[in-house]
Amino acid sequence: KQEVTQIPAALSVPEGENLVLNCSFTDSAIYNLQWFRQDPGKGLTSLLLIQSSQREQTSGRLNASLDKSSGRSTLYIAASQPGDSATYLCAVKTGGFKTIFGAGTRLFVKA
Amino acid sequence: DADVTQTPRNRITKTGKRIMLECSQTKGHDRMYWYRQDPGLGLRLIYYSFDVKDINKGEISDGYSVSRQAQAKFSLSLESAIPNQTALYFCATSDITGMGGELFFGEGSRLTVL
Repeated sequence: KQEVTQIPAALSVPEGENLVLNCSFTDSAIYNLQWFRQDPGKGLTSLLLIQSSQREQTSGRLNASLDKSSGRSTLYIAASQPGDSATYLCAVKTGGFKTIFGAGTRLFVKA
Repeated sequence: DADVTQTPRNRITKTGKRIMLECSQTKGHDRMYWYRQDPGLGLRLIYYSFDVKDINKGEISDGYSVSRQAQAKFSLSLESAIPNQTALYFCATSDITGMGGELFFGEGSRLTVL
C-alpha cells in the first residue's frame, strides 16, 4: 500500500531564505507526483506536476525533483517571501489511477 | 470565473438532514472526483467518475452517494448527515492524457453537521 510522508510538518523561515520541502513515498511504481499549495480554508492550487519519466520541473522560484528509486521528491523554493506562507502538499498517482496525498508541510515565512 | 466551481461554499446543517454538494467544471475534463479533508488525516477519496456512465467508490464512500449529471457536473449527496461528516469537501478534475493527468481542485465546500 502506497504511503506518502511529508517532513517537516511545519517550518518557519526568515524572508529571503532558500528552503526545501520533502516528500517520500513507499512504492516507486508511480505515474506522476504533483505538488500543491493550500491557503487556509481554501482549495488546492497545483504548483508542479512531474511525470514518472521526468527528473524535475521548474516554475519561477519553484523547482521540484523526483527520484523514484529512492522514493523521494523535493520542492525547492528560492528567495522565500511572506506570500509563500501556506501549506504545501505532495500527491502521488499510483496504479489504478489512485492519488495518495501527504499530510502537508505548513510553511511560515517571516518578514 | 473558476474552472472548477463548488456550491455551496459553506453549509451548516443538522443531524439527519439530506445535503447535496454540487460541482461544475469548464475544463472539459472527463474525470471528476470528490475528496474530503480533515485535520491530521489529509485528503481522502470519496467517489470518482471517469465519464458520465462510470461511478466508482473511493476509500471512504459509506454514507455518501454521487451523481454524474453531465460531463461537466458531479454532485455529492449525504442522505442523512451525521456530525463526523463535518469536513472540508473538494471536487477535482483531471484529463485523460496518458496516465499522468494533472489534478485541478475547486475552492472547497465547508460542511458543518450539528
